[in-house]
Amino acid sequence: QSVLTQPPSVSAAPGQKVTISCSGSSSNIGNNYVSWYQQLPGTAPKLLIYENNKRPSGIPDRFSGSKSGTSATLGITGLQTGDEADYYCGTWDSSLSAGKVFGGGTKLTVL
Amino acid sequence: QVQLQESGPGLVKPSETLSLTCAVSGYSISSGYYWGWIRQPPGKGLEWIGSIYHSGSTYYNPSLKSRVTISVDTSKNQFSLKLSSVTAADTAVYYCARLGVGATIDYWGQGTLVTVSS
Repeated sequence: QSVLTQPPSVSAAPGQKVTISCSGSSSNIGNNYVSWYQQLPGTAPKLLIYENNKRPSGIPDRFSGSKSGTSATLGITGLQTGDEADYYCGTWDSSLSAGKVFGGGTKLTVL
Repeated sequence: QVQLQESGPGLVKPSETLSLTCAVSGYSISSGYYWGWIRQPPGKGLEWIGSIYHSGSTYYNPSLKSRVTISVDTSKNQFSLKLSSVTAADTAVYYCARLGVGATIDYWGQGTLVTVSS
């Protein structure tokens, strides 16, 4: 069971918008930066969003991130078939069991 | 451009020690950042194993801490993972990575599949 909670799957049609939620607690999301990763089939994860809402160079502005309290959200607009992938949120957990933690992942299907 | 490449045996016997090395190019480990290992069992999610700073300071996943050792060799610009007493549950793709502010993983290796089987 993952420390961070994500929906197992989401789906939407091409061109539409989708959001993926990531729920945690005060020891992780509540007091640390959240990052998001995209994992296309058979490849290594890639950084999409860092420090809650910043995009690395080369990531289109169709991808956005936000954080409120102990939850974070990844938004993707103008969905493309190439966006079909698994998406993971991640952060640092500052509890006694300190360490990097991830959500269980969300499979995005572009119908 | 920072690049990371994992290397090591793809098959390990139960109860033995899994050993992997990550060679870093395009950036000197001695310049900073934490460097770490993440694994992904087939069909499952990501699990952080641990991280190391160039000084040798380490953080380990509490659930694996008793079996994990991560070390760094700045002269070769590489770092290594040892996981002892492996079982089938340790079968996974193992990724090496660079961790920045807030433990953000900004660079990943391509990953290497390690299977634990007799």
